[in-house]
Amino acid sequence: LAKTTQPISMDSYEGQEVNITCSHNNIATNDYITWYQQFPSQGPRFIIQGYKTKVTNEVASLFIPADRKSSTLSLPRVSLSDTAVYYCLVGDDNYGQNFVFGPGTRLSVLP
Amino acid sequence: EADIYQTPRYLVIGTGKKITLECSQTMGHDKMYWYQQDPGMELHLIHYSYGVNSTEKGDLSSESTVSRIRTEHFPLTLESARPSHTSQYLCASSERLPDTQYFGPGTRLTVL
Repeated sequence: LAKTTQPISMDSYEGQEVNITCSHNNIATNDYITWYQQFPSQGPRFIIQGYKTKVTNEVASLFIPADRKSSTLSLPRVSLSDTAVYYCLVGDDNYGQNFVFGPGTRLSVLP
Repeated sequence: EADIYQTPRYLVIGTGKKITLECSQTMGHDKMYWYQQDPGMELHLIHYSYGVNSTEKGDLSSESTVSRIRTEHFPLTLESARPSHTSQYLCASSERLPDTQYFGPGTRLTVL
């Protein structure tokens, strides 16, 4: 199970682009990279998922370099409502393998 | 938007009571999970299931038990609630390939 490392916290201002990087040096060939967002008192919410290169949806972009040992979640023009904890998970559908959410990155968006 | 439901949303109960937290999903997902999370702290996996009649304990030891008699239903039971069980309990289900978990709104349990 690939272990992930991400910053514990980050601060940003409204309107800025925020990039959160996750390290996963032991990522396996079949592993996907998935990011979740969690607001206080709510369950995590899926944001984006990718395997390689770049993935973009209406919420965020995910950049994955060729070696796949890290990934970067990019949130364009954040607002106060983007203040949340962001989790990076790495794994595949190998039965018997469970994902560990870890502490995540606590993003605070300031006015 | 994912269709996964948890009831009750809030529960305050006395020590020694038996409780069941309900979790249902209408997406036909085989995999389901229960997590425990204290305010401001990490999520900890306490139970998971890969299908009907399949249940396993997670990384965090828990006195709760689960059952999976139907695909859509994954209830969690505490036979005798204690104040140490006070926490938020989150249920999730996932598609198989690739694993993307959808979470319910959670049940905030307080044991007095």
